[in-house]
Amino acid sequence: DQQVKQNSPSLSVQEGRISILNCDYTNSMFDYFLWYKKYPAEGPTFLISISSIKDKNEDGRFTVFLNKSAKHLSLHIVPSQPGDSAVYFCAASGGMDSSYKLIFGSGTRLLVRP
Amino acid sequence: DAGVTQSPTHLIKTRGQQVTLRCSPKSGHDTVSWYQQALGQGPQFIFQYYEEEERQRGNFPDRFSGHQFPNYSSELNVNALLLGDSALYLCASSRGGGADEQYFGPGTRLTVT
Repeated sequence: DQQVKQNSPSLSVQEGRISILNCDYTNSMFDYFLWYKKYPAEGPTFLISISSIKDKNEDGRFTVFLNKSAKHLSLHIVPSQPGDSAVYFCAASGGMDSSYKLIFGSGTRLLVRP
Repeated sequence: DAGVTQSPTHLIKTRGQQVTLRCSPKSGHDTVSWYQQALGQGPQFIFQYYEEEERQRGNFPDRFSGHQFPNYSSELNVNALLLGDSALYLCASSRGGGADEQYFGPGTRLTVT
């Protein structure tokens, strides 16, 4: 049973435009959400996080939106740059079974075209 | 400031063998979590160590075991290797337990033949 889902395996965007990566979750006990970026041959790198008490968190070009009623979060990258090309994972934690672990989606491969 | 380091980088083992993977956490971190990432999938939580004890465990059999040392470094041991254990094994460190902002190492690529 996949509790965190990223339904788009890949996304291609023109440089300078907005990239929107989506993530859905099923466990209403999740209270902390994170986005990680992964380049080949490297471990995931933390990008940005959001607590369930907020609906938006911004850090430079990256903004994460959380819609708790829809159990949906998204990562916006504006403007997109070729160096942003990577695999993006969303992750969640919280609740009795998941207080110490991150539960990851399967990732979305972003390609930013010059 | 050294980040999370893992050794070895790559490893090839035969079915039935045993393997030990090692992890040193980021400076100032006292918590180590281990994840398995199969091809095309997101990382899956194996277990977390804090204060030298296993704090939480994911859906992995007892063949997977670990240890945390007083200097916070950690080992992951896998016994009786199966072909399906072939994956990237990631170590993540954080402060004070929990799941907040875990910092990942580059991983160990394990191939079981």
